[in-house]
Amino acid sequence: DQQVKQNSPSLSVQEGRISILNCDYTNSMFDYFLWYKKYPAEGPTFLISISSIKDKNEDGRFTVFLNKSAKHLSLHIVPSQPGDSAVYFCAASGSGGSNYKLTFGKGTLLTVNP
Amino acid sequence: GAGVSQTPSNKVTEKGKYVELRCDPISGHTALYWYRQSLGQGPEFLIYFQGTGAADDSGLPNDRFFAVRPEGSVSTLKIQRTERGDSAVYLCASSLKGGTPPYFGPGTRLTVT
Repeated sequence: DQQVKQNSPSLSVQEGRISILNCDYTNSMFDYFLWYKKYPAEGPTFLISISSIKDKNEDGRFTVFLNKSAKHLSLHIVPSQPGDSAVYFCAASGSGGSNYKLTFGKGTLLTVNP
Repeated sequence: GAGVSQTPSNKVTEKGKYVELRCDPISGHTALYWYRQSLGQGPEFLIYFQGTGAADDSGLPNDRFFAVRPEGSVSTLKIQRTERGDSAVYLCASSLKGGTPPYFGPGTRLTVT
């Protein structure tokens, strides 16, 4: 049972345009969400996170939006750059005693074309 | 500064053999995690250490898997009687404390033939 779902295995975007990566979750106990980026042969790199008390968090070109009622979050990258081409993982954790354990989606491969 | 390092980067072993995978966390990070990533999947939680003790080993698939962190720094993941289904990338991560975003190492790709 996939508790974190990334339904788009891949996404292709033109350089300079917006990339929107989506993530859905089913576990209502999740209250902290993270996005990681992964290049081939490297470990995932932390990008940005959001707590359930917020609906938006921004860091430079990266913005994460959270819709708790829909159990949906998205990562916006503006403007997209060729170096952003990577696999993006959405992850979630619960509150309190289980806040260390991340549940990951399967990832979305983003390709930014020059 | 130095990130999380893992050795070896690749390990090929025969079915039934014993393997050890090593993780050196970021200095000063008290929390250490092991995850496993199979082909086409996201990382899956295996075990979490806070200091020297395993605070949560609920993700270990069975009793062939064991991990230690005797001095609260370096950790070793041990797999006995390896099976072909154990083939995956084993990722180690560390963070300042549990609940803060972990930093991942490059992983060890284990192939069981």
